[in-house]
Amino acid sequence: ETGVTQTPRHLVMGMTNKKSLKCEQHLGHNAMYWYKQSAKKPLELMFVYSLEERVENNSVPSRFSPECPNSSHLFLHLHTLQPEDSALYLCASSQDLVVSPLHFGNGTRLTVT
Amino acid sequence: GDSVTQMEGPVTLSEEAFLTINCTYTATGYPSLFWYVQYPGEGLQLLLKATKADDKGSNKGFEATYRKETTSFHLEKGSVQVSDSAVYFCALRDQAGTALIFGKGTTLSVSS
Repeated sequence: ETGVTQTPRHLVMGMTNKKSLKCEQHLGHNAMYWYKQSAKKPLELMFVYSLEERVENNSVPSRFSPECPNSSHLFLHLHTLQPEDSALYLCASSQDLVVSPLHFGNGTRLTVT
Repeated sequence: GDSVTQMEGPVTLSEEAFLTINCTYTATGYPSLFWYVQYPGEGLQLLLKATKADDKGSNKGFEATYRKETTSFHLEKGSVQVSDSAVYFCALRDQAGTALIFGKGTTLSVSS
């Protein structure tokens, strides 16, 4: 198993759909993250969880709802998205919140039609 | 706030050429610095890191030295290969932060 696994790899959804992105880490890390990667823009941090508690939420619209049921799993629930939400959504994990590097999954390519 | 500035790309080189990708940062205190690489269709992979001034990170022939006096962490490689074609991201993590702050990324294209 690779370190951080994201499913699905690709997702196409209409603006009225509800879907979820899943992330699982097999590294025994304590922190997990969601980033959004759009063309021509820096990576945008969306959410940070440490030991299953949300520690950061960077003014993300409420149509994105994270869930961290345990330290190995992280979800991003999506509903009533907009076309501008189309992007690559990256999950990452790290041992701690201070000095450890982040380990990324391969991302979910989301297209909102 | 903290920030990372990378040179604009794309950078186009011939195989075996010397590579430099510039990165400067703004941060309070003593951040940790990282270079990540992203190959097409994949997530970001840690390439190298440095956690204090004058540290040199190295991996797969790439090197970067943490220069506090110039607030820089430039990425270098003596002889690039076609397989090095990817997007390279400089990032920092400050002592109070909870996550990495990334630069915009620099696309490297190496031709044979």
